[in-house]
Amino acid sequence: QSALTQPASVSGSPGQSITISCTGTSSDVGNYNFVSWYQQHPGKAPKLMIYDVSNRPSGVANRFSGSKSGNTASLTISGLQAEDEADYHCISYTSSSMWVFGGGTKVTVL
Amino acid sequence: QVQLVQSGAEVKKPGASVRVSCEASGYTFTGYYIYWVRQAPGQGLEWMGWINTNVGGTKYTDKFQGRVTMTRDTSISTAYLELSGLRSDDTAVYYCARVRTCTTTSCWFYFDYWGQGTLVTVSS
Repeated sequence: QSALTQPASVSGSPGQSITISCTGTSSDVGNYNFVSWYQQHPGKAPKLMIYDVSNRPSGVANRFSGSKSGNTASLTISGLQAEDEADYHCISYTSSSMWVFGGGTKVTVL
Repeated sequence: QVQLVQSGAEVKKPGASVRVSCEASGYTFTGYYIYWVRQAPGQGLEWMGWINTNVGGTKYTDKFQGRVTMTRDTSISTAYLELSGLRSDDTAVYYCARVRTCTTTSCWFYFDYWGQGTLVTVSS
């Protein structure tokens, strides 16, 4: 299974909105609404931010939102804050109990 | 509260084996799969496989087939990852993470809790 494609880095100023893309294929992202997003600060474990494309777990700020169009899922951070500076990873379930991961995107708050 | 607590850092020589543990608390251990995911320095996440903690069944990715063994001890709510034939490129932080087991009516496809990670360094 090929990895999902994410941009290496995305940056924005405080208060701005940014969007991170996650491109897969019709076998994973395009075929299942099982894309999840994880935030990872340096030296820390990943934290679930979005599941099933667009659902937010309790406790996650509502400035984080997810969507999908075709084979590409997206994570949008609105009202960017300094604490949002981290790596973000997308993961998609695919067939036969298999999973495919993105390469991660570094978000920098300018 | 839900916790996955992993064993401490390891330093191993090439060719050796390593075993990492993941102790679960705060939930019914057998109600969730345990996945193992690793992250090499400066790299993205890479999944290695999973164990069905209820029946013990496993699935490993092709890359690790033959070198990895995942087990569990339900009496102490602990999952284990063993990786053999270590090479320098196995140097990474290894994470356990849970995914809820499907019921007759629902399935879940995301990792809602992760362990803190275990650094495994392979060096001669």
